[in-house]
Amino acid sequence: EDKVVQSPLSLVVHEGDTVTLNCSYEVTNFRSLLWYKQEKKAPTFLFMLTSSGIEKKSGRLSSILDKKELFSILNITATQTGDSAVYLCAVEASYNNNDMRFGAGTRLTVKP
Amino acid sequence: EPEVTQTPSHQVTQMGQEVILRCVPISNHLYFYWYRQILGQKVEFLVSFYNNEISEKSEIFDDQFSVERPDGSNFTLKIRSTKLEDSAMYFCASSVTRGLWETNYGYTFGSGTRLTVV
Repeated sequence: EDKVVQSPLSLVVHEGDTVTLNCSYEVTNFRSLLWYKQEKKAPTFLFMLTSSGIEKKSGRLSSILDKKELFSILNITATQTGDSAVYLCAVEASYNNNDMRFGAGTRLTVKP
Repeated sequence: EPEVTQTPSHQVTQMGQEVILRCVPISNHLYFYWYRQILGQKVEFLVSFYNNEISEKSEIFDDQFSVERPDGSNFTLKIRSTKLEDSAMYFCASSVTRGLWETNYGYTFGSGTRLTVV
């Protein structure tokens, strides 16, 4: 059965800290891994990763995929209170299965 | 920036009643999806839709569920006879292409409809 496991489930840090969120997966016919940020309602897209070892970066956020070890990390540097959210990892399987499987998410709380 | 629009934002219904959740995907997107998130749980795939037919569905999407694209813009999810356990946030999403590896934009999600079955 396909699995997407995120850790930790929750994390509390102070502004300015750097955090690393983890996502491991077991998916038949892996296609891509996506990171989303969910605040109050809809998940908003952060990154899509398809190739190992290539870092994607957007401001203070960055992410990398390891297809050999089947995991990805999402790094946030110099955290701000606005980074408080649930961060979701999702994996897209083969071309014939165009649904995403989501992990349970990591709830990040950034305190002032 | 284009967005996916969902209505209503919150719906309360009695058990056994039919509900229709509505979505307007982004106009040039071709693939449409419904996901749900029970409070405190993970986001779960329900169904994907392309070219006026279902392309994939999960085990959650049983005979009580149906989807329709009645015109060129709306995409609806119908639950025929709601149960208490259908209470959840329902998200509509759309994407340009089927294989996300062809794009770098992921899926665009709507803001969701919170369905409460009493």
